[in-house]
Amino acid sequence: NAGVMQNPRHLVRRRGQEARLRCSPMKGHSHVYWYRQLPEEGLKFMVYLQKENIIDESGMPKERFSAEFPKEGPSILRIQQVVRGDSAAYFCASSPTGLENTEAFFGQGTRLTVV
Amino acid sequence: SQQGEEDPQALSIQEGENATMNCSYKTSINNLQWYRQNSGRGLVHLILIRSNEREKHSGRLRVTLDTSKKSSSLLITASRAADTASYFCATRLVGANNLFFGTGTRLTVIP
Repeated sequence: NAGVMQNPRHLVRRRGQEARLRCSPMKGHSHVYWYRQLPEEGLKFMVYLQKENIIDESGMPKERFSAEFPKEGPSILRIQQVVRGDSAAYFCASSPTGLENTEAFFGQGTRLTVV
Repeated sequence: SQQGEEDPQALSIQEGENATMNCSYKTSINNLQWYRQNSGRGLVHLILIRSNEREKHSGRLRVTLDTSKKSSSLLITASRAADTASYFCATRLVGANNLFFGTGTRLTVIP
């Protein structure tokens, strides 16, 4: 059973370009979470999705950021018109149910560098 | 902030010694989880402790939870160089959909 798969592992974008980060949850997991981590800091929650639904996007910046988890395929975190401040590690996690009684399983992250 | 706050921020010990990390939080939780992160890697889940539990063990790890003080501790016994990593506590708040992470404790175990 493969773990949470994120790709790419490293992504370099110029200012103003779009960044697309992909996350395939563990098999059987229908809950996906996206987190952002700045250097030397903890993880900051961005968005929580279930299949075809955004459940909680309270941590998402209001502009330029969007996320989806379609019926088929991976979850996508999209950042439009990237700026230097978007440089960070973006982690995806999945769980089989909500987090009341289970842990989140994390991917290895995508390190975005905006130049 | 509703995040857990770890203490100390950094800890350096000799191999074989025990390492204790603490976490404090502010609001009622459903559970508290400890994760480990090696430099540049993803997070690995260590232990989940529910709000009605006081202590849990897993191998060389021991976690305690005191909901009256809103605090938790992670004890790593007989540390090894391979334990060198950052350790984060994460709280699942009552009614929340996600985990709130603290800023972490960076543990260095010197061989």
